[in-house]
Amino acid sequence: TQLLEQSPQFLSIQEGENLTVYCNSSSVFSSLQWYRQEPGEGPVLLVTVVTGGEVKKLKRLTFQFGDARKDSSLHITAAQPGDTGLYLCAGGSNYQLIWGAGTKLIIKP
Amino acid sequence: EPEVTQTPSHQVTQMGQEVILRCVPISNHLYFYWYRQILGQKVEFLVSFYNNEISEKSEIFDDQFSVERPDGSNFTLKIRSTKLEDSAMYFCASSETGAIRNGYTFGSGTRLTVV
Repeated sequence: TQLLEQSPQFLSIQEGENLTVYCNSSSVFSSLQWYRQEPGEGPVLLVTVVTGGEVKKLKRLTFQFGDARKDSSLHITAAQPGDTGLYLCAGGSNYQLIWGAGTKLIIKP
Repeated sequence: EPEVTQTPSHQVTQMGQEVILRCVPISNHLYFYWYRQILGQKVEFLVSFYNNEISEKSEIFDDQFSVERPDGSNFTLKIRSTKLEDSAMYFCASSETGAIRNGYTFGSGTRLTVV
């Protein structure tokens, strides 16, 4: 069974700080996606990484796929209150997405 | 920006009743999906649908579940006889290419509460 473990489960930091959240597995995934989910809403796709070692940037967010395609990280620089939300990683496995439990991020002004 | 629309946003039903959850995928998308998220748990795959038939389904998607594309725009999930454990957020998603690497567009979900 393929599993994705996200850490930390919960993170609360001050505006302006940097942070990194992780998504780890013992399995290889063909691709890895990061979503952001607001309360009462569906997940919204942020990025997809496909190649081992790939790095993608989305403004202050940097996403990296591990060389072995088993793990990924999301780094936020100079976090802002608008970054508050639940960040989910999901791995592509054949015909479906395997989801992590998410990291709940709170950025305090 | 194109959206996936789900109705109703919240459905309360008695155990044993049938429910139909509705979704309008993005108009030029050809691949459709249902996922669910039980409160406090991970998002789980239910079923994928393409060319008017089920492509793949998970173990969760048993005989109590069915999907249909009754017309050119709607995509529905039917639960024939709801159980308490069916209470969850149900998300519909659609994709233009079906390739996971291209990502899916999710709707805002239907919160199903079985009492």
